[in-house]
Amino acid sequence: DQQVKQNSPSLSVQEGRISILNCDYTNSMFDYFLWYKKYPAEGPTFLISISSIKDKNEDGRFTVFLNKSAKHLSLHIVPSQPGDSAVYFCAASARGAGKSTFGDGTTLTVKP
Amino acid sequence: DTAVSQTPKYLVTQMGNDKSIKCEQNLGHDTMYWYKQDSKKFLKIMFSYNNKELIINETVPNRFSPKSPDKAHLNLHINSLELGDSAVYFCASSQPDRDGGYTFGSGTRLTVV
Repeated sequence: DQQVKQNSPSLSVQEGRISILNCDYTNSMFDYFLWYKKYPAEGPTFLISISSIKDKNEDGRFTVFLNKSAKHLSLHIVPSQPGDSAVYFCAASARGAGKSTFGDGTTLTVKP
Repeated sequence: DTAVSQTPKYLVTQMGNDKSIKCEQNLGHDTMYWYKQDSKKFLKIMFSYNNKELIINETVPNRFSPKSPDKAHLNLHINSLELGDSAVYFCASSQPDRDGGYTFGSGTRLTVV
């Protein structure tokens, strides 16, 4: 039962353009959502998060949008840079669950 | 000065062997985790410890035994290794308030031959 899904395995964008990565979830108990970035041979690193009481959270070039009714969140990167090329994981957790459930990642390639 | 360090980074071993992966964090976090990333790239939780106490054990074969001697360490011992155990194993730590997400180690790539 895959509770967090990232339906696009890969995404390619031009440097300077916007990258939009999408994530869907099925568990209505999830109330905290996170995005991680992962380079090859490294562990995922935390990027940005959003609580279910918000619908948007911004940190520099990164913005996460949450649509609770659609059980959908997205990560916008503007402007995209070649150094953003990595695998991006969406994750979700429910209060008290003590764990995060991860999607299977989207590989972003930003072309110079 | 690595925040979450796990050793070894690579491990190649034969079926039937017993092996251990060590993890240490110097962040003062209360909670530590083991996640497994299989060939389909999913990151699946295996275990979670809070202050040396087992909190989560997610339908993992009992050949896998975590040990937490103190809250800064969470080791993973695997008995009678099988081909299907081949994966990348990630250790992580966090504070229980969930802000800031997890801090992951760089992973241990286990290959069982």
